[in-house]
Amino acid sequence: KNEVEQSPQNLTAQEGEFITINCSYSVGISALHWLQQHPGGGIVSLFMLSSGKKKHGRLIATINIQEKHSSLHITASHPRDSAVYICAQTGAGSYQLTFGKGTKLSVIP
Amino acid sequence: DTEVTQTPKHLVMGMTNKKSLKCEQHMGHRAMYWYKQKAKKPPELMFVYSYEKLSINESVPSRFSPECPNSSLLNLHLHALQPEDSALYLCASSPFLNTGELFFGEGSRLTVL
Repeated sequence: KNEVEQSPQNLTAQEGEFITINCSYSVGISALHWLQQHPGGGIVSLFMLSSGKKKHGRLIATINIQEKHSSLHITASHPRDSAVYICAQTGAGSYQLTFGKGTKLSVIP
Repeated sequence: DTEVTQTPKHLVMGMTNKKSLKCEQHMGHRAMYWYKQKAKKPPELMFVYSYEKLSINESVPSRFSPECPNSSLLNLHLHALQPEDSALYLCASSPFLNTGELFFGEGSRLTVL
């Protein structure tokens, strides 16, 4: 059974801090997704990774296929980054997204 | 246009009502998905359409009826719902089934009285 584990579950940071959210998965993937969800809102796809590293603005996502691990980094965090960040993966040959339970991030001014 | 548009944003309905949720994308994506999300839980897959044909039905009760009239539009028809069906209903699309980045809509928040 495929499982996706995220840590931490909750994270509070001061504005400007560097933030890391971790994601581990148990089976081989075709793609790993990092998603963002603001309270009561829809989901925004931040990154889709199958190897290496991607950067978009202050956000960086990395993945280590051998270790089955991915990280999402936020540099110079801002209160508007406060949201739930969700790691999700599609297994090789599968249509199904397996979601992590999410990391609730609060950035305090 | 990289948007998935869902309407309505909010819907309140009684258990005897019939209503519909609508999802639209103009990115040429050939796979579209309906998810249901309860508070503080990850989304749960309901239906998958690929090339306008229903590919996956994740054992969803028949009071939820999906429809894909064309490649840009996905509907979810609701009838005789229960209060426990109250949730955020999310639509998503991707270029093809299992391929490419997923784009999600903002969701339709449904309350069943």
